[in-house]
Amino acid sequence: DAGVIQSPRHEVTEMGQEVTLRCKPISGHNSLFWYRQTMMRGLELLIYFNNNVPIDDSGMPEDRFSAKMPNASFSTLKIQPSEPRDSAVYFCASRAERGPNQPQHFGDGTRLSIL
Amino acid sequence: LAKTTQPISMDSYEGQEVNITCSHNNIATNDYITWYQQFPSQGPRFIIQGYKTKVTNEVASLFIPADRKSSTLSLPRVSLSDTAVYYCLVGAHNQGGKLIFGQGTELSVKP
Repeated sequence: DAGVIQSPRHEVTEMGQEVTLRCKPISGHNSLFWYRQTMMRGLELLIYFNNNVPIDDSGMPEDRFSAKMPNASFSTLKIQPSEPRDSAVYFCASRAERGPNQPQHFGDGTRLSIL
Repeated sequence: LAKTTQPISMDSYEGQEVNITCSHNNIATNDYITWYQQFPSQGPRFIIQGYKTKVTNEVASLFIPADRKSSTLSLPRVSLSDTAVYYCLVGAHNQGGKLIFGQGTELSVKP
């Protein structure tokens, strides 16, 4: 089975540009999570969806960040406008709801560099 | 969500057993204890999960005392490829699977 697929793997862009990160969760999983990882702050949960509906976006740093999940097989995280402090590795994870405490499955991340 | 405390780093040698202990004094009745492993340039990977007593799989064992205020991840006979960051998390299914990652334990296995 394919795991969580993220694209692009690497993104380098100039500050002020719009950045769109993409995630395809594992088929059949109905929870999706976006995380950000930096050396200073570690792994932070930004937002998570359940059945395509945003449940908790309290981790989204500010209005420049937005996330959507238009269907069960696709999600985007958008930063507009981007700033150098947004440089980080962004992970997407998905999870199945069936059964108690199913683990989260992570993609390999998008390494974002804002110049 | 219960907060966890674990050592920042540990060193070991190939072939040794490694035990990483995590404290979670405020664990709730519904919380499970889950451990993830993260290699450089990869996302975290689920290792093992438990609620109480002992759980063992092909990768590790998880020991949980009766009061559930701590847990110990045991890696038998580590190899160089076990060098990674190990995260201990507690959370419950009725929280939508939301987990909060702490700083983790950076395990370094030396030859």
